[in-house]
Amino acid sequence: QKEVEQDPGPLSVPEGAIVSLNCTYSNSAFQYFMWYRQYSRKGPELLMYTYSSGNKEDGRFTAQVDKSSKYISLFIRDSQPSDSATYLCAFPYPYSGTYKYIFGTGTRLKVLA
Amino acid sequence: EPEVTQTPSHQVTQMGQEVILRCVPISNHLYFYWYRQILGQKVEFLVSFYNNEISEKSEIFDDQFSVERPDGSNFTLKIRSTKLEDSAMYFCATRDRGLYNEQFFGPGTRLTVL
Repeated sequence: QKEVEQDPGPLSVPEGAIVSLNCTYSNSAFQYFMWYRQYSRKGPELLMYTYSSGNKEDGRFTAQVDKSSKYISLFIRDSQPSDSATYLCAFPYPYSGTYKYIFGTGTRLKVLA
Repeated sequence: EPEVTQTPSHQVTQMGQEVILRCVPISNHLYFYWYRQILGQKVEFLVSFYNNEISEKSEIFDDQFSVERPDGSNFTLKIRSTKLEDSAMYFCATRDRGLYNEQFFGPGTRLTVL
């Protein structure tokens, strides 16, 4: 079983749609859950991070964690063409002295105007 | 807002040549990382660096790779004898103290080995 699984997409949605992006993980020791956004040929930039199970909201973005199912989600409300990017889930590795990240493959999202 | 910078943005080299990729971390950050992303694949950890020494390295980071902070500001990744399979985007990331602080990524260097 892979440590992190993420549907690579691509996912195409019309402008204004609600988008759901998901990752599953196998390591129950993961404690922090990060979502990065990566535009084409750019470095990843942090969108949100969560620590505990439950929801965290920031504007149009909501991060959700279900530790019992080892499942995390990122919801984007009222999606915009500028949201078109690759979304990466990332997990700081708790057994690493410097908390290297374990990344998902990324889901490519395209929001159509 | 402070940012991580990387040079060059694109490097083309012949197989067997040495390349040095450069990163300028955010000042006062203490932890430094190199990640690699082969086209169409996920971002993979290569190495982490703290207190002027390697803290951790992946199995990808073999003897042909090395890192250093030659002048206390730049953070470099050297590949001694490049192979075709080294072609990838290389990202530098840095973070401040604190266990789970955000890693800030640079824009990446695209390395093409011919």
